[in-house]
Amino acid sequence: QQPVQSPQAVILREGEDAVINCSSSKALYSVHWYRQKHGEAPVFLMILLKGGEQKGHDKISASFNEKKQQSSLYLTASQLSYSGTYFCGTEPPITDRDDKIIFGKGTRLHILP
Amino acid sequence: DSGVTQTPKHLITATGQRVTLRCSPRSGDLSVYWYQQSLDQGLQFLIQYYNGEERAKGNILERFSAQQFPDLHSELNLSSLELGDSALYFCASSPRTRGEQYFGPGTRLTVT
Repeated sequence: QQPVQSPQAVILREGEDAVINCSSSKALYSVHWYRQKHGEAPVFLMILLKGGEQKGHDKISASFNEKKQQSSLYLTASQLSYSGTYFCGTEPPITDRDDKIIFGKGTRLHILP
Repeated sequence: DSGVTQTPKHLITATGQRVTLRCSPRSGDLSVYWYQQSLDQGLQFLIQYYNGEERAKGNILERFSAQQFPDLHSELNLSSLELGDSALYFCASSPRTRGEQYFGPGTRLTVT
């Protein structure tokens, strides 16, 4: 089952904060986050492996609630360079027969100066 | 630069033809993944190889096939091409069977 990302798109002014959510109907082993700029390849941001885990990367951080099968990506004091499409990818538990990563449809983020 | 290379960068071909896309993973990475991304669409997982063996399969059409060679590079073969096969094809690599993936620059396939 494809994870559901929300919102589909968001427009912010430079310096504002954003939250992107990723929700799955299946049990999860991990959640990946990637950013893709127009015409470029997706770039790995971070991976969260444990329930309740939080990670940070500059002013971008994420949390993973294993029980709720949800992850959120937090962008603080957004910069113009944060513009792009953000994808979450979910991996099921190792024991799952359908052991493959599935990406959400993406969230478009546009930062205005 | 992720360290993953893909060739060719662009490919224009006619319906019914067959093409081969090539991917070289990052040094030391054993897993290679193939994805299809159509215009303004998400990443559709096609297939994963790990150390030469097929590990996972996604929504890969029967007209498509892939393999990973002993030197770990991979090729994606697309045959009997249709207009709807026009898309960006990415490969990605990772050190293990799971975990973070590093994407190549992609091959843009246009079927006319």
